[in-house]
Amino acid sequence: KQEVTQIPAALSVPEGENLVLNCSFTDSAIYNLQWFRQDPGKGLTSLLLIQSSQREQTSGRLNASLDKSSGRSTLYIAASQPGDSATYLCAVKFGNFGNEKLTFGTGTRLTIIP
Amino acid sequence: EPEVTQTPSHQVTQMGQEVILRCVPISNHLYFYWYRQILGQKVEFLVSFYNNEISEKSEIFDDQFSVERPDGSNFTLKIRSTKLEDSAMYFCASGRSGPLEQYFGPGTRLTVT
Repeated sequence: KQEVTQIPAALSVPEGENLVLNCSFTDSAIYNLQWFRQDPGKGLTSLLLIQSSQREQTSGRLNASLDKSSGRSTLYIAASQPGDSATYLCAVKFGNFGNEKLTFGTGTRLTIIP
Repeated sequence: EPEVTQTPSHQVTQMGQEVILRCVPISNHLYFYWYRQILGQKVEFLVSFYNNEISEKSEIFDDQFSVERPDGSNFTLKIRSTKLEDSAMYFCASGRSGPLEQYFGPGTRLTVT
């Protein structure tokens, strides 16, 4: 069964620190992987998309990496700020072009302590 | 910046009633999706829609569910006879093409009493 796991479920770090969020997936045959941010009671904001042929993507203070062979992706957040507090979701599109759905992890709830 | 919009933001309905959740995808997108998130659980895929037909659906998307693109801008999810377990946040998403990013709306919170 194709699954996505995110550990830990929750993480608290002091403001200014760099941090890494982890995502693992059970099948290395992925099409792409997308990181989202979800604020409480709100929708999903797309942060980064990595295609299966890519190793990493960067946007501002965010850097996402992909290692298909080990079934892992990480989201690195540099110089964390209180506004980064949210739940971060990893979602994988397994298989080939014809597979439309994203399979989501349960997320990591991040709290940045001022 | 273009965004996906959804209405209503919150819908309360009685068990057995029909509900229609509405979405306006980003205007030049061709692929449309519905997902749901039961409180405290993962976001789950329901259905994808392309070229005026369903391209993929999950086991959750049974005969009680249907989708429609009634005009050039709206995309709707209908639940014919709601059950208590249909209570969830329903997200609409759209994408320019299959391989590219999916952009999500703010969600409709459905409460079935």
